[in-house]
This record gives sequence, structure tokens and C-alpha cells, in this order.
Amino acid sequence: DAGITQSPRYKITETGRQVTLMCHQTWSHSYMFWYRQDLGHGLRLIYYSAAADITDKGEVPDGYVVSRSKTENFPLTLESATRSQTSVYFCASRVLAGGGNSYNEQFFGPGTRLTVL
Amino acid sequence: AQKVTQAQTEISVVEKEDVTLDCVYETRDTTYYLFWYKQPPSGELVFLIRRNSFDEQNEISGRYSWNFQKSTSSFNFTITASQVVDSAVYFCALSEREGGYQKVTFGIGTKLQVIP
Repeated sequence: DAGITQSPRYKITETGRQVTLMCHQTWSHSYMFWYRQDLGHGLRLIYYSAAADITDKGEVPDGYVVSRSKTENFPLTLESATRSQTSVYFCASRVLAGGGNSYNEQFFGPGTRLTVL
Repeated sequence: AQKVTQAQTEISVVEKEDVTLDCVYETRDTTYYLFWYKQPPSGELVFLIRRNSFDEQNEISGRYSWNFQKSTSSFNFTITASQVVDSAVYFCALSEREGGYQKVTFGIGTKLQVIP
């Protein structure tokens, strides 16, 4: 089915381990995003990508690494997980905005609940 | 700096009551976009509406309506005749250009509980 998927949906890991969260979209959207959702903070942007091989930091990038070798995939890696990275992670995508006043909304994946012990 | 304020963290209403979720934003830009998303208990984020800063027309979609007022920097969301299925967390978001990127800032969300 077309859409945006995330895997795994749930993950428990230990402090210091490397963890990779996967995101895949079938719409060929140019932009992709990673957010984390924490109580009291809403959604905060970790990294985003405007196209394959183009990535940039968001509001809370420390401790995370991303790559985008293909348009459809945007994995997020926690190089050495910490307890503060326990959160729900959402991947999102949107088309390249058109000209003038147009801007398209982001579509979100189902989320990955990550627990770091 | 941009900011989105959803002052109501939790609201409870009885089914069939009307409810308004408030959203106040701050921006210095003249071109920006506002969104509402719904997050039901199942956890996914569902897009509800987009509004650009040049379009102050209010919008109605079934039981949902949105009131955009630039004069008060508000983009409020009203659910008429609420139903149990409306129980969710609702997020307001603001998007404006920052450098070469359309940055989106989300409010912390309003949790709506509709009691049968």
C-alpha cells in the first residue's frame, strides 16, 4: 500500500547501544522529517531532508544521525542511546512546495515507540 | 522567533456539546501557514486543515470549523456536537520560511475527552 511506514513500531534497547529507526515512503515526496514527541513538548524536529543526499539539522539533533541515499528512505540512527532519548519518533514527508502561496502539509508515519533502559 | 501556544492542555466535554480549541501563534513573517492535526488514542497523526496567512476565510467541514483571525494571531478550532470519536490530542502548527527551509513548529497539544 502507498504511504509512509516506520519500523520497528516498538523498540526497547539499553543505554549505549546503537539503534536505527527506519522510515519509508512510497509517494516520492521530496521532503522527509524526523520528529520526537514528548509529553509537554509536542513534536520537535530532529532532522529533515529536502532531497536525496541533502539533510539538515532541526531543533534537537544532538545524539542522532540521518542519511538519505534514496528518496524513499530516511533512516534515523541513535549512535549511543541515552535514557533521554526515550520517546515516540515520527517520520513525515511532504511534496516539494509549489510556487506562490502554496505549501503542502506533512504526512506522518505511524510512529516508533522507543524505550532506552 | 516563532511560537505556538495551546493554552488548554486538557478539555472534557459531554457528548453533543460544542467545544473550541484555542491556538495563538507568534510570527514576524507576513507569509506563513497554519495547520491542525489530530492524534487519536491509536497514536497516528492525521492532517485536518491548512490555512495560509493570506486567506482569512473561516472554513467549515462537517462538524469541524476553523476561525482564523490575524488581528489576534489566533487559529481556533471548533467541534460542533462533539462525539466520542473526537476524543484525541489536537495539535496546532505554524510554518514559516527560515533560511531555505519551511520550518514547522507544533504546539504542545490539547487533549480532548468526550464523555458519553
